[in-house]
Amino acid sequence: QKEVEQDPGPLSVPEGAIVSLNCTYSNSAFQYFMWYRQYSRKGPELLMYTYSSGNKEDGRFTAQVDKSSKYISLFIRDSQPSDSATYLCAMSDRNAGGTSYGKLTFGQGTILTVHP
Amino acid sequence: DGGITQSPKYLFRKEGQNVTLSCEQNLNHDAMYWYRQDPGQGLRLIYYSQIVNDFQKGDIAEGYSVSREKKESFPLTVTSAQKNPTAFYLCASSAGLAASTGELFFGEGSRLTVL
Repeated sequence: QKEVEQDPGPLSVPEGAIVSLNCTYSNSAFQYFMWYRQYSRKGPELLMYTYSSGNKEDGRFTAQVDKSSKYISLFIRDSQPSDSATYLCAMSDRNAGGTSYGKLTFGQGTILTVHP
Repeated sequence: DGGITQSPKYLFRKEGQNVTLSCEQNLNHDAMYWYRQDPGQGLRLIYYSQIVNDFQKGDIAEGYSVSREKKESFPLTVTSAQKNPTAFYLCASSAGLAASTGELFFGEGSRLTVL
C-alpha cells in the first residue's frame, strides 16, 4: 500500500463546476499538507499549504485536512479552463532532528480538464 | 528573477550511455532534490542534498549518481545501470532546515528518452 493515495482520474468538468480532489494517507506523522499544480510539460508549483488539521481558503481554492481520517481535499469553485492541469497532493512529517524538511511524499496526481 | 534552471529540456540517449542533467538555482537555498515523474506514479525521490558536499539516497537511487560541489548546483547522472531511464526528471530546491514548511520550488524539468 502506498503512503499517499490519490485518484489519478482523469477528471473532466464543465466550466463553472465545483471540483473536489482528494488524497488519503497512512502515515500519522504527516503534519504539513500541500497541493501542487502542474501544467503540461512544466514543473509543479505550490498552490495551497496547510499545517495540521483545518481549512484554508485562497480565492476559488479551499484546502481541507482531516487528520483523524487521514484525508485531505482541495476544492475549486467556479472552475475555469485555465485550471486544467495535474494536481498533486504532497505531505511531510517532521522528525526530531528536523532533517525531513522538504522530503515530501507525493500522491500520483489527478489530471483535471475544465472544458468551456 | 530567482529560480531553478534545468537543462537540457529534452534529451535522447542510446542504451548504454551515461547522461548528465544539469540543475542550477539562484534562490540561495540549502537543500536540493531530484525527482522522477512517470505517468500514474506521481513524483519519486531519487537523491537529495541538505548541504554542500553531502547528499542522501532517496527511494529510487539505483542507477543514478549526483554531486553537490557548489550550493547552486546539483547535477544528476543517469547511468547505464538504470534499467528504465525514460522519464521526466524534476529538480527542486527548498530552504531546508531554515524552512518552516518544507515547500519545494521546482524547475521546468528535463525529459529523457532512451532510444
